[in-house]
Amino acid sequence: DAGITQSPRHKVTETGTPVTLRCHQTENHRYMYWYRQDPGHGLRLIHYSYGVKDTDKGEVSDGYSVSRSKTEDFLLTLESATSSQTSVYFCAISDPARGYNYGYTFGSGTRLTVV
Amino acid sequence: GENVEQHPSTLSVQEGDSAVIKCTYSDSASNYFPWYKQELGKRPQLIIDIRSNVGEKKDQRIAVTLNKTAKHFSLHITETQPEDSAVYFCAASINGNKLVFGAGTILRVKS
Repeated sequence: DAGITQSPRHKVTETGTPVTLRCHQTENHRYMYWYRQDPGHGLRLIHYSYGVKDTDKGEVSDGYSVSRSKTEDFLLTLESATSSQTSVYFCAISDPARGYNYGYTFGSGTRLTVV
Repeated sequence: GENVEQHPSTLSVQEGDSAVIKCTYSDSASNYFPWYKQELGKRPQLIIDIRSNVGEKKDQRIAVTLNKTAKHFSLHITETQPEDSAVYFCAASINGNKLVFGAGTILRVKS
């Protein structure tokens, strides 16, 4: 399958604790994205990166931060987890500059439960 | 910013029938419109996409049409099969950056 992995796959954490989710790619794609998926809302963009140390906010960025110190890794941090952040988190990669392919490749997702 | 609306939210069809899912977008600058299929517990996967310089694109039993003037695009699945049952998402973006997704359509194909 595509060279993108997310870890952990499942996590249960307590309210108020920090949580970091990891996305790792082996495709050398320039763009990386974090989305959350909730019923009735589809996939909503949290943060994205266009290159190393080049990140920006998406539609639902409050309570989240990201870092990208290497091309292959994009970390999503919940500074102080809340129950509203219970969701499935997907990382995606793309590189529109490569030929004519604009499509995203998604990771397998992380199911996060905040109790 | 871009806003994508998707209808219907659920769709049930009999095996062999056709299914149509419709999306509208708000930003006239959007030029890339992919469709993703997500099976239960799996990641979304790209099934077809279309760019604004094309009005229709087909790939076997699936096709996508785009009406730039009306700012809507549709997914058509013909001769549906049970394995087509999944959640389908439309999306829109400028040049493939920062895709904005619709809320999804649950398609059930009854055999």
